[in-house]
Amino acid sequence: QALLQESGPGLVKPSETLSLTCGVSDFSITSPYYWAWIRQPPGKGLEWIGSIYHTGSTFYNPSLRSRISMSMDTSTHQFSLNLYSVTAADTAVYYCARHEGTGDPQYWYFDLWGRGTLVAVSS
Amino acid sequence: SYELTQPPSVSVSPGQTATITCSGDALAKKHAYWYQQKPGQAPVVVIYKDNERPSGIPERFSGSSSGTIVTLTISGVQAEDEADYYCQSVDTIGTWVFGGGTKLTVL
Repeated sequence: QALLQESGPGLVKPSETLSLTCGVSDFSITSPYYWAWIRQPPGKGLEWIGSIYHTGSTFYNPSLRSRISMSMDTSTHQFSLNLYSVTAADTAVYYCARHEGTGDPQYWYFDLWGRGTLVAVSS
Repeated sequence: SYELTQPPSVSVSPGQTATITCSGDALAKKHAYWYQQKPGQAPVVVIYKDNERPSGIPERFSGSSSGTIVTLTISGVQAEDEADYYCQSVDTIGTWVFGGGTKLTVL
């Protein structure tokens, strides 16, 4: 059974960069799947941030596109998120997840999730 | 921007049927997916492609679709079904959207 594990600092200062990594275990990161980031502010709903394929292809949430970048290191079976110029509104549990990457995108859904990591933005 | 609308809360007694709706213009042409999230846990998909149930999900969970509204139905609700439920779909290619979530309370 594949496992996803988020890692990164639990506290980031306003205006700085939030950087998270997701480790993929027991599954090939170069399989035909996209690897995604999703966040959830405390007590609120889910928000898709972006998705990356092992070829480097990315999809970003239009509302966050100007502040995010995603990358992947297939040699270490990890993918990463950078969110720039953070504010308190970026405080959330950040999940990494997986969705299919072939065929019609309307069939792509998040079938595997990490446990999530809480990141607080505060001075 | 594309939005999916869910009721904030639904309450049912054990053994009754819970119905949670999700509405959005694109649902007339795009499939919907339902996730269950219990406190402190990551979401788990309970329905995919409007009405398909993943292995391991109890048969009491079902989904349906009609026009711009999709519905998650839980028949014979059990206490363990108390959770937040989110619908999800896709807008333009490469934009995934979640509904605001519905808190299911089992009385």
